[in-house]
Amino acid sequence: QKEVEQNSGPLSVPEGAIASLNCTYSDRGSQSFFWYRQYSGKSPELIMSIYSNGDKEDGRFTAQLNKASQYVSLLIRDSQPSDSATYLCAVTVIYNFNKFYFGSGTKLNVKP
Amino acid sequence: DAGVIQSPRHEVTEMGQEVTLRCKPISGHNSLFWYRQTMMRGLELLIYFNNNVPIDDSGMPEDRFSAKMPNASFSTLKIQPSEPRDSAVYFCASGLTQGSYEQYFGPGTRLTVT
Repeated sequence: QKEVEQNSGPLSVPEGAIASLNCTYSDRGSQSFFWYRQYSGKSPELIMSIYSNGDKEDGRFTAQLNKASQYVSLLIRDSQPSDSATYLCAVTVIYNFNKFYFGSGTKLNVKP
Repeated sequence: DAGVIQSPRHEVTEMGQEVTLRCKPISGHNSLFWYRQTMMRGLELLIYFNNNVPIDDSGMPEDRFSAKMPNASFSTLKIQPSEPRDSAVYFCASGLTQGSYEQYFGPGTRLTVT
């Protein structure tokens, strides 16, 4: 059973701060990693994908991957109230790039 | 470009009735996924297709659930007979079997079985 663990939160940060969301996974064969944002009552929206160790930046978002320690994180700089949502981590494994294993999500609250 | 299209967006039905959910993937995508989301169980993969062929249906909860993909632009998920515990949001997602493997979700169908 592939396990993807996330702190359910809620994680509360003030507006303008950096929000740090973490995800750990159990399968060392995991190859591809994704972050989705889900607003209440809406569908998951892909915001970042990362495939190799290190950092990947896209606007205010930075994904960090450390395969040796089996974690992937998402940093949101200059957090805005509109970033308040649940963030889902998804992982695939080497023998099945199609199949995503999702964490249960971390709820982020950005306070004005 | 149109995203993944799902219909209906909301479905309310009585226990024992047949329910059919529909999905049109993003044009050019050759993988299609059916997920179910509940507060208790989170987001669960039910079944996925590559090039219209079912690859993994291990997440289908029981024989009351079935899915088909007759062509590259259409898929259905059927529940017969429906039960109250099937109440959930059902998402369809599509992607590619090569390259980034990213998946893009449709708006979902909120199913309520009374």
